Amino acid sequence: ETGVTQSPTHLIKTRGQQVTLRCSSQSGHNTVSWYQQALGQGPQFIFQYYREEENGRGNFPPRFSGLQFPNYSSELNVNALELDDSALYLCASSLTGIDTEAFFGQGTRLTVV
Amino acid sequence: GENVEQHPSTLSVQEGDSAVIKCTYSDSASNYFPWYKQELGKGPQLIIDIRSNVGEKKDQRIAVTLNKTAKHFSLHITETQPEDSAVYFCAAIFTGTASKLTFGTGTRLQVTL
Repeated sequence: ETGVTQSPTHLIKTRGQQVTLRCSSQSGHNTVSWYQQALGQGPQFIFQYYREEENGRGNFPPRFSGLQFPNYSSELNVNALELDDSALYLCASSLTGIDTEAFFGQGTRLTVV
Repeated sequence: GENVEQHPSTLSVQEGDSAVIKCTYSDSASNYFPWYKQELGKGPQLIIDIRSNVGEKKDQRIAVTLNKTAKHFSLHITETQPEDSAVYFCAAIFTGTASKLTFGTGTRLQVTL
């Protein structure tokens, strides 16, 4: 067990709706990264938060947004859901965020219908 | 741009044999290379990593080698067991991208009895 927990584990949403996914980082970790993993592919970086500030963003549109809270937990918000947003969303926590081990949660499986 | 190529995409070995998975990366300044194991329905699990100041690292039955000149690194699993069956991902952190992990496309390892 990595100590990184995500909720919910599964979610079904309708196209056009909004969704919020949550992540609790491992104790002592101050950096949270979010990844999208489509079926049969490797995880793709969405963005990273370090001490409540966005610290890097991948090639995802603005309707993907996030937050990090003072306790270093984090949220991923996706607006105007599209069918292609169906994927496993992974949260990874690490310490300091620079070239250190990243530990993943079990993911949230989002299905958009 | 940032790129990690991984081969093979599938690998089948008999129990007790060795398995080797290879990755190449594009940024010669990359200095951190982790390997993750992902079982069905779970998040990626960090199994071993290597930094650019070493050429080889071993942890029981698994080892990773790094050739910075050729920009490739490999995962070696010896004495494979059925529980080694999973999808394995290599990854790299590219310079100037904080701790964003760029993943390979994955190798599905099947260990048969």
